[in-house]
Amino acid sequence: ETGVTQTPRHLVMGMTNKKSLKCEQHLGHNAMYWYKQSAKKPLELMFVYSLEERVENNSVPSRFSPECPNSSHLFLHLHTLQPEDSALYLCASSQDFRDDFNEQFFGPGTRLTVL
Amino acid sequence: GENVEQHPSTLSVQEGDSAVIKCTYSDSASNYFPWYKQELGKGPQLIIDIRSNVGEKKDQRIAVTLNKTAKHFSLHITETQPEDSAVYFCAASFDSSASKIIFGSGTRLSIRP
Repeated sequence: ETGVTQTPRHLVMGMTNKKSLKCEQHLGHNAMYWYKQSAKKPLELMFVYSLEERVENNSVPSRFSPECPNSSHLFLHLHTLQPEDSALYLCASSQDFRDDFNEQFFGPGTRLTVL
Repeated sequence: GENVEQHPSTLSVQEGDSAVIKCTYSDSASNYFPWYKQELGKGPQLIIDIRSNVGEKKDQRIAVTLNKTAKHFSLHITETQPEDSAVYFCAASFDSSASKIIFGSGTRLSIRP
C-alpha cells in the first residue's frame, strides 16, 4: 500500500453521464496530482494541486473538472465524456510540488470505460 | 516540446540474466530522473532515482546511469527474478518542478522462468 487510495477502481459510463473519481492520501502531503494513463502512451499529467490550490492545468478539456476540498482529498468530476477518454486515471501525492526531488506516491488508479 | 523517449517498449529476458532499459530526454535543463515500476493492477512506484550531479547510482540489483552530455539515462537490473516482471517508466523533471515531470512511454519487462 502506498498510502494513496482511489475509488472506484472500475467505472463504466455513457457519454451523457456525470460521475466523479475520488482520491485520498494518508501521507500528510501538500501536493496532489491527476494523471491519465492510456495504452502504450506516456503518463499525461492533467492537474496539480498544492495546498488545495490548483497550480497546473495542462490543457485538459473542460469535461474534466477537478476539485480539492482539502489537502487529503482530490476529486475528478466527469461529464459528457468521449470514448477516447477511456483510460486508467491515476492519482498521486508528494510532499511539495515545487521540490525537484520529491517522490510521487501513486494510487492504484480508476479504470474508466466510456461507452 | 520537451519529451522523453524510452526503449524498448517490450523486453523479455531469461531469469537470472540482466535487463537494460534506455531513455533519452530533450531538455538539457532536466536535473532529476526517477524510475517507476508498475505492477499489474497497481499504480507506479518509485524504485530508484538519480540527480544530475551524479553519474551512477546503485541499490542492490538495480542501478541507473546518467550521461548528461548525451542526454540519456539507463536502468540496469541484474540477476532478474520473476517479481521483476512489470512495466517500467523513466521520467525527467523539467523547470525544476515536480509538476513538470515528463514520463517515457514505458517498457513491459517479462522474466522467463
